[in-house]
Amino acid sequence: GQQLNQSPQSMFIQEGEDVSMNCTSSSIFNTWLWYKQDPGEGPVLLIALYKAGELTSNGRLTAQFGITRKDSFLNISASIPSDVGIYFCAGQLRSRTQGGSEKLVFGKGTKLTVNP
Amino acid sequence: DAGVIQSPRHEVTEMGQEVTLRCKPISGHDYLFWYRQTMMRGLELLIYFNNNVPIDDSGMPEDRFSAKMPNASFSTLKIQPSEPRDSAVYFCASSFNALNTEAFFGQGTRLTVV
Repeated sequence: GQQLNQSPQSMFIQEGEDVSMNCTSSSIFNTWLWYKQDPGEGPVLLIALYKAGELTSNGRLTAQFGITRKDSFLNISASIPSDVGIYFCAGQLRSRTQGGSEKLVFGKGTKLTVNP
Repeated sequence: DAGVIQSPRHEVTEMGQEVTLRCKPISGHDYLFWYRQTMMRGLELLIYFNNNVPIDDSGMPEDRFSAKMPNASFSTLKIQPSEPRDSAVYFCASSFNALNTEAFFGQGTRLTVV
């Protein structure tokens, strides 16, 4: 099946530091989504990107849809303890109207630990 | 809306027993997805529905797994008979339509088969 390569697998940082993680694929995606999962909870959507080159911010979070449509990154600025969790990227290959599928492919996640 | 609602939150069952997981999607969402999450394989899509119709079940591991969506507000994922390797967290998610693919997840059902 389709694969998303997400890196790094884990990060240990100090409170206040900036964080960067990314996802790459050999396939072209129409949509990139970034989710955060807290322990015992389902993934929660952080940012959605629908256009190649798009740069979108949500508070301290910034994400970009790569111009080649094969990658995306997520930055977190001035990290705080509640940023702890697992961050997932997800991509949609294409819509069914374009002859594809609506289903999302998920990366394996980046586990973030923030030391106070 | 209360979001995607899954039940039960936790299920412990013995090998060979039937397990039924339930999901209520967000009202008005046309798509419903069932995912399985394990440490080894991450989040895997099992099956998804559009307007209550199964569209892609290629992720269903084997015939022991089945899913139904009898109406727009309810879906079930059934495992019969269950095996220890089915132990995982099962998530249900829903999204509005094919163009707005922002899937919203439930809190999951943690299944343990002993």
